[in-house]
Amino acid sequence: QKEVEQNSGPLSVPEGAIASLNCTYSDRVSQSFFWYRQYSGKSPELIMSIYSNGDKEDGRFTAQLNKASQYVSLLIRDSQPSDSATYLCAVKRYGNKLVFGAGTILRVKS
Amino acid sequence: DTEVTQTPKHLVMGMTNKKSLKCEQHMGHRAMYWYKQKAKKPPELMFVYSYEKLSINESVPSRFSPECPNSSLLNLHLHALQPEDSALYLCASSQADRGDYSNQPQHFGDGTRLSIL
Repeated sequence: QKEVEQNSGPLSVPEGAIASLNCTYSDRVSQSFFWYRQYSGKSPELIMSIYSNGDKEDGRFTAQLNKASQYVSLLIRDSQPSDSATYLCAVKRYGNKLVFGAGTILRVKS
Repeated sequence: DTEVTQTPKHLVMGMTNKKSLKCEQHMGHRAMYWYKQKAKKPPELMFVYSYEKLSINESVPSRFSPECPNSSLLNLHLHALQPEDSALYLCASSQADRGDYSNQPQHFGDGTRLSIL
């Protein structure tokens, strides 16, 4: 079992729709969770962090965390073509170690 | 533009060359990281420096040698690399947390794209 699992996609959504990206993790004691966006040929860009169960909203982005189910998700409302990228889920392990999922490719079609 | 600056942006080197990658941040972060990323794969952690001391080495071959001269700078010295070492090398930084589980997010530089001939 991989430490952090994501569906590789591609996930295709029409412009203006809600994109839902999911991630599961195996280490039950993990405390910190992050979503990064990576455009082709660029470096990862932090878009959301979440540490407590529940929802955290920032603009069009909402991160959801359920520690009991070991599940993290990212919702993107009013999806735009510029949101087309790979979205990396990352889980902080012991001693500053960040473990990434394989990433989900999102394609927003205009 | 990111607040973590990496140079050079591109590097082509032969297998017998010696070169260095450089990373600089001025955010007051005391944890710095090197990652390697192959095409269509997620970043893989190589090294972690916390308070200028090496805290994690993910069993990286000795042809990669990290150095942290001060709290703002991180270098990666390269020697006798192999073609399979061609990749995007990413530097990141974060606030350091002396606890077992840090919740500080990491911020990435633009990376150095390395090609080994």
